[in-house]
Amino acid sequence: DGGITQSPKYLFRKEGQNVTLSCEQNLNHDAMYWYRQDPGQGLRLIYYSQIVNDFQKGDIAEGYSVSREKKESFPLTVTSAQKNPTAFYLCASSPHDRGPGNQPQHFGDGTRLSIL
Amino acid sequence: GQQLNQSPQSMFIQEGEDVSMNCTSSSIFNTWLWYKQDPGEGPVLLIALYKAGELTSNGRLTAQFGITRKDSFLNISASIPSDVGIYFCAGQRVGGSQGNLIFGKGTKLSVKP
Repeated sequence: DGGITQSPKYLFRKEGQNVTLSCEQNLNHDAMYWYRQDPGQGLRLIYYSQIVNDFQKGDIAEGYSVSREKKESFPLTVTSAQKNPTAFYLCASSPHDRGPGNQPQHFGDGTRLSIL
Repeated sequence: GQQLNQSPQSMFIQEGEDVSMNCTSSSIFNTWLWYKQDPGEGPVLLIALYKAGELTSNGRLTAQFGITRKDSFLNISASIPSDVGIYFCAGQRVGGSQGNLIFGKGTKLSVKP
């Protein structure tokens, strides 16, 4: 089945540690996105990528980094500079990023990150 | 960044009742999306709207793209227990990319069996 796979489902980070969240899609989508979700809040965009080897900062990029070396993969690294990393992280993809009537984003099942 | 005003924040309803929620913005959008999220899972797309005035149904769900392009509503008819969850609206600004998708804070729906 085609879809978006996020791993792991749960992740724990120690102080000063970088952790990487995986996002893989087999939908042949060009665009991929990372969001952070906190309780009672809407989704906030961290980074997005419209095409391989290119990505842009979202509203809350500080303390995070990404790479887009392959079309199928868009890993997110939560660095030690992110002082409040506890949240639910969601990855999404869409066929294209621009244009009216373009296909909307579809989401993975998320990774819950907690601090030890 | 800018957020949409989504209301109500939460609601309890009796099974079988109809539900209505809406989103408003000060900006004009060219796309409105409605998602549902179950606990511990990612949002699932319910309805996508692309034209002002558009009214679209998906089973018991109906959503409309406001004429002013600054609002949208979602109706659920004859609610059932599996309708429980958080419903999010999202809007894409005119000329913007999906990297500029803006999400509401969600409406938490609870159904009394």
